[in-house]
Amino acid sequence: QKEVEQDPGPLSVPEGAIVSLNCTYSNSAFQYFMWYRQYSRKGPELLMYTYSSGNKEDGRFTAQVDKSSKYISLFIRDSQPSDSATYLCAMRGGNTPLVFGKGTRLSVIA
Amino acid sequence: NAGVTQTPKFQVLKTGQSMTLQCAQDMNHNSMYWYRQDPGMGLRLIYYSASEGTTDKGEVPNGYNVSRLNKREFSLRLESAAPSQTSVYFCASSGSGQIAFFGQGTRLTVV
Repeated sequence: QKEVEQDPGPLSVPEGAIVSLNCTYSNSAFQYFMWYRQYSRKGPELLMYTYSSGNKEDGRFTAQVDKSSKYISLFIRDSQPSDSATYLCAMRGGNTPLVFGKGTRLSVIA
Repeated sequence: NAGVTQTPKFQVLKTGQSMTLQCAQDMNHNSMYWYRQDPGMGLRLIYYSASEGTTDKGEVPNGYNVSRLNKREFSLRLESAAPSQTSVYFCASSGSGQIAFFGQGTRLTVV
């Protein structure tokens, strides 16, 4: 079993839809949870960062962490064509390097 | 503010050739990383350096070597390139805030 599992998609939604992206993990030592967005032929850029369990909201984006279920989610409200990208979950514990999911490719159709 | 800078951006190598990928960060970060990204495989850690003077293997270190030249620079060397090393390589750095910042990548093709 991989440490971090993420459905690779691809996921295609109409503009304005609510998007839900998810990852599960197996290492209970993970404390720091991140979502990165990667546009085609670019490096990943940080989108959301959460420490331990709970929710965090930033504009149209909400990140949720449920450590008891080892499950994290990213919600995108009112999705836009500019949100079309690959979304990667990432997590780490203490000073260990980030472990990434495989990424979910999202297309938002106008 | 440049962040993380990788050179070169593109490279084509013949099997058996060697090359070094360069990475530099200007954020005074202690930790630096090299990842490779292949279709359907996500980002896989090759090597990392938690601080100047230390390096450790990641998930896929075979065929690579690294050098943490100083706090700013972390290079990745392919001694004898193989077609299986065709990939996009990303360098990243992180400070005490745990967040990793990435460079724009090096697209390497080995023929």
